[in-house]
Amino acid sequence: GAVVSQHPSRVICKSGTSVKIECRSLDFQATTMFWYRQFPKQSLMLMATSNEGSKATYEQGVEKDKFLINHASLTLSTLTVTSAHPEDSSFYICSARDTGGDYNEQFFGPGTRLTVL
Amino acid sequence: GQQVMQIPQYQHVQEGEDFTTYCNSSTTLSNIQWYKQRPGGHPVFLIQLVKSGEVKKQKRLTFQFGEAKKNSSLHITATQTTDVGTYFCAGYTSGTYKYIFGTGTRLKVLA
Repeated sequence: GAVVSQHPSRVICKSGTSVKIECRSLDFQATTMFWYRQFPKQSLMLMATSNEGSKATYEQGVEKDKFLINHASLTLSTLTVTSAHPEDSSFYICSARDTGGDYNEQFFGPGTRLTVL
Repeated sequence: GQQVMQIPQYQHVQEGEDFTTYCNSSTTLSNIQWYKQRPGGHPVFLIQLVKSGEVKKQKRLTFQFGEAKKNSSLHITATQTTDVGTYFCAGYTSGTYKYIFGTGTRLKVLA
């Protein structure tokens, strides 16, 4: 199956700093990528839809100035958590949709665990 | 907004017992997908259902899409310890261009 990588897998930062998370589709092109946030033992909450070459679409309640998304190429989307605070600590997962696949399925990255001190 | 609920939230079964999780959407869906997330891992795609009343099988797993395309179920026959994890449904509504994940059902299998 298609592979999506995420980097870094874990990051610990001080409050007030910014953290960039990369999501790459390794063997397919993804015009659309999704960013999710998952709290322990909870479901995946869609934060935003990242579209190559255009602005991301944010879900209600997600601050676009705090969670900056850039989808500069067909294989890379980045999420930057700006001025991170302890309440931003979470598991962030990206997914990429293989529009050329049979099922239009989403392939998930391994996730990034962010801890803000 | 659209909501996708799953029941039960948790299920503990003895190895060899059957297991079913139910998924209910507040809106009619174009299609529904099922994912499995192992503890500490990321969601992995299992299957997609598109047609009203569709039933698909994968070995011991049976997936069903309701006639009204607002609910779905996943049934596992004779569970094994490898079935442990959280099962999520994800519903897609035409025009929204996104999947909304269900609340998930966490399955524990006792050997």
